[in-house]
Amino acid sequence: AQSVAQPEDQVNVAEGNPLTVKCTYSVSGNPYLFWYVQYPNRGLQFLLKYITGDNLVKGSYGFEAEFNKSQTSFHLKKPSALVSDSALYFCAVRDDRNTDKLIFGTGTRLQVFP
Amino acid sequence: DTGVSQDPRHKITKRGQNVTFRCDPISEHNRLYWYRQTLGQGPEFLTYFQNEAQLEKSRLLSDRFSAERPKGSFSTLEIQRTEQGDSAMYLCASSPVDGLYGYTFGSGTRLTVV
Repeated sequence: AQSVAQPEDQVNVAEGNPLTVKCTYSVSGNPYLFWYVQYPNRGLQFLLKYITGDNLVKGSYGFEAEFNKSQTSFHLKKPSALVSDSALYFCAVRDDRNTDKLIFGTGTRLQVFP
Repeated sequence: DTGVSQDPRHKITKRGQNVTFRCDPISEHNRLYWYRQTLGQGPEFLTYFQNEAQLEKSRLLSDRFSAERPKGSFSTLEIQRTEQGDSAMYLCASSPVDGLYGYTFGSGTRLTVV
């Protein structure tokens, strides 16, 4: 069965510092991995994805994520956090052998302090 | 194009009543998805369509739930005989061909069953 774990309910970081939001996954086949962000009173927005190829993928708003197959992880990163990055972040996985549905993690709230 | 639209934004209903939600996807998107999100959880897959064909339905979905996309454009999600456990945010998303391109989510319909 597919599953996603986001071990941190909340991550706090000072503006200008690097940030990492953690995600680990479990699938039967090869994983397709995604990050989505949810701002207050707004819908979920797609940030980035890993399908195949380079393990470091770049996405919107300066975010990037690193796929690590041996550790079954897909951590979200940004070199320099902004206060406006404060939001709820969801990792999601899809098994390449399954049909088109995503399994989402429980979310990590990122709080960036000025 | 104004994105994915969901109507209504909020719905309060009494237990036992039927409710119907509507989703208008981005016009050129062939795939349409329904997810449900409860407080503190990530979105949970309900069902998805390729044009008018319903390709997959979650086993978690009881017979009280039904979704349609009759002309391959807008979709409706109906819940019959609502229960308090149905209270959640119901999210609709669409994608051009396959979710690998990333979903575009609507703002959701918040259902409260009293």
